[in-house]
Amino acid sequence: DTAVSQTPKYLVTQMGNDKSIKCEQNLGHDTMYWYKQDSKKFLKIMFSYNNKELIINETVPNRFSPKSPDKAHLNLHINSLELGDSAVYFCASSPAGQGAGYTFGSGTRLTVV
Amino acid sequence: QQQVKQSPQSLIVQKGGISIINCAYENTAFDYFPWYQQFPGKGPALLIAIRPDVSEKKEGRFTISFNKSAKQFSLHIMDSQPGDSATYFCAARVYGPARQLTFGSGTQLTVLP
Repeated sequence: DTAVSQTPKYLVTQMGNDKSIKCEQNLGHDTMYWYKQDSKKFLKIMFSYNNKELIINETVPNRFSPKSPDKAHLNLHINSLELGDSAVYFCASSPAGQGAGYTFGSGTRLTVV
Repeated sequence: QQQVKQSPQSLIVQKGGISIINCAYENTAFDYFPWYQQFPGKGPALLIAIRPDVSEKKEGRFTISFNKSAKQFSLHIMDSQPGDSATYFCAARVYGPARQLTFGSGTQLTVLP
């Protein structure tokens, strides 16, 4: 069983469209995240949810809206897609505890044309 | 503002050699320092991690050296193998509800056969 699964793996869409990326973790972790990896591979946090509550919302355009229906799921909805949104989006989760590392999903490569 | 600075950007090592990647940080509130390994098309995977009360941690061929006073830490890969060719990220975390990781910019390691 995949620990953190994201769908879809690839997403090609036109500018102006609205799209969603889904994430599910079966690890029982209480915190989930969305990270964006740009073309230079830099990883930047977008959102952090702890037990369905938004903890971090970095300087992300409000076209991006995360939704956490339960602590095992964190979805990302993007409105009015722009060329600059093209990137790989990673979902991750972590358990409670000071020494706890993240488990990442395999990523969603979003291409806006 | 990049809180974790990583170098070099790319590294080429012969098989059997030692690979060394360095990171430096400014925020003294960081309390956990993991390294992640990422293969093409995959999400980052936790490789090894250290807390600031320890100066060195070794797991197999991978060693983290930590210098709290200099606010620097490094990853050493002994007996580097072609299968180690990947992108390596250092990271640092401030403990709290979000347990947010701040990543370095990544190092592309190539191990030549």
